Amino acid sequence: NAGVTQTPKFRILKIGQSMTLQCAQDMNHNYMYWYRQDPGMGLKLIYYSVGAGITDKGEVPNGYNVSRSTTEDFPLRLELAAPSQTSVYFCASRSGNLAKNIQYFGAGTRLSVL
Amino acid sequence: QQPVQSPQAVILREGEDAVINCSSSKALYSVHWYRQKHGEAPVFLMILLKGGEQKGHDKISASFNEKKQQSSLYLTASQLSYSGTYFCGTELSNSGYALNFGKGTSLLVTP
Repeated sequence: NAGVTQTPKFRILKIGQSMTLQCAQDMNHNYMYWYRQDPGMGLKLIYYSVGAGITDKGEVPNGYNVSRSTTEDFPLRLELAAPSQTSVYFCASRSGNLAKNIQYFGAGTRLSVL
Repeated sequence: QQPVQSPQAVILREGEDAVINCSSSKALYSVHWYRQKHGEAPVFLMILLKGGEQKGHDKISASFNEKKQQSSLYLTASQLSYSGTYFCGTELSNSGYALNFGKGTSLLVTP
């Protein structure tokens, strides 16, 4: 029962570097999401996807990009990392089925931009 | 539209009860409750759909007042393991759009 898997768990980037945060789910969920969580704050939605090939912006999309080529994978790309992107990133997924509408979270990626 | 949670923080002694509230300015389709321990991912507790149903999970239960657009999480006879930050996540419809989370309520249960 892997659920939602995120890699890497930790990463330190220098300003201006780029990286991809990986997210994969094995529950055949249509809906996938990326959130960021800053200390003492709630979860802010970055991007989401309602199915393969379909993505849309959330509340705080600037500085990020996503793609969804398969149902299982939803990578988040950071271009030109900035200190403001230091945060914990959570990927999540849901089935969309009314009877099983739980949103499951991955373990998170802790990113520091220095 | 971020839901508003109250209180921001609460400290309990083991065995005491607590109530955490989650309010929205818009009509809600559902409310989801999560608990997050420090350094970990949020863990699902329960879902409440519009209709005012109340759900329970061990000694944790919740209600959803559709008229007031408010949900309350009830923790009875608290245990040390209940410590963490509680988040409510709301959605306005069953559209697949992500849950909109409140800022969280920090709960500390002491011996």
